[in-house]
Amino acid sequence: AQKVTQTQTSISVMEKTTVTMDCVYETQDSSYFLFWYKQTASGEIVFLIRQDSYKKENATVGHYSLNFQKPKSSIGLIITATQIEDSAVYFCATGSFNKLTFGAGTRLAVCP
Amino acid sequence: EAAVTQSPRNKVAVTGGKVTLSCNQTNNHNNMYWYRQDTGHGLRLIHYSYGAGSTEKGDIPDGYKASRPSQENFSLILELATPSQTSVYFCASGDAFNWGVAETLYFGSGTRLTVL
Repeated sequence: AQKVTQTQTSISVMEKTTVTMDCVYETQDSSYFLFWYKQTASGEIVFLIRQDSYKKENATVGHYSLNFQKPKSSIGLIITATQIEDSAVYFCATGSFNKLTFGAGTRLAVCP
Repeated sequence: EAAVTQSPRNKVAVTGGKVTLSCNQTNNHNNMYWYRQDTGHGLRLIHYSYGAGSTEKGDIPDGYKASRPSQENFSLILELATPSQTSVYFCASGDAFNWGVAETLYFGSGTRLTVL
């Protein structure tokens, strides 16, 4: 069975700084995908970024990037130049076709 | 733009009553999902569907049924609601067609269910 662990329950940072959120996963699949989703204060959940397990280069989208360490089964989310609107809950997830397993989430507060 | 709409947004039910949560998507996606969100657990998969007429059990299906009468609609049914089913429920649709293909999920706004 798949398992995703996010040990950081909440993080608080100052605006315009860089933050890293940790995620460790377990999977029996030889090929898999890793995702980060964001849940805003309104409850809306949106897809942010994805890493394919067979790719060595870290994914980057806008001011979001990933730190993929396959031997450690780790996929960290890095947000650079944080903005107030980045305040949200961030979920890490792993899986393949239609069987995503989510972590418990990390709440990020970005302070002015 | 992808759109997944859930109804109702809020629901209060009594123990032992029947509850139906509805979801409609205009993405023309084959796959649809029901998750529940509880503090400390993240999102947990209840049921999912590959297309009209199909339903599959997810990780926590006990106490829930699902129905997919059409490509657009996917319902979650609690035949005998219990207080332990008090939660926030999210519907999602997915755009993958095959195994081994990454799938982005598009979520609805959620339904907050309280069972008294």
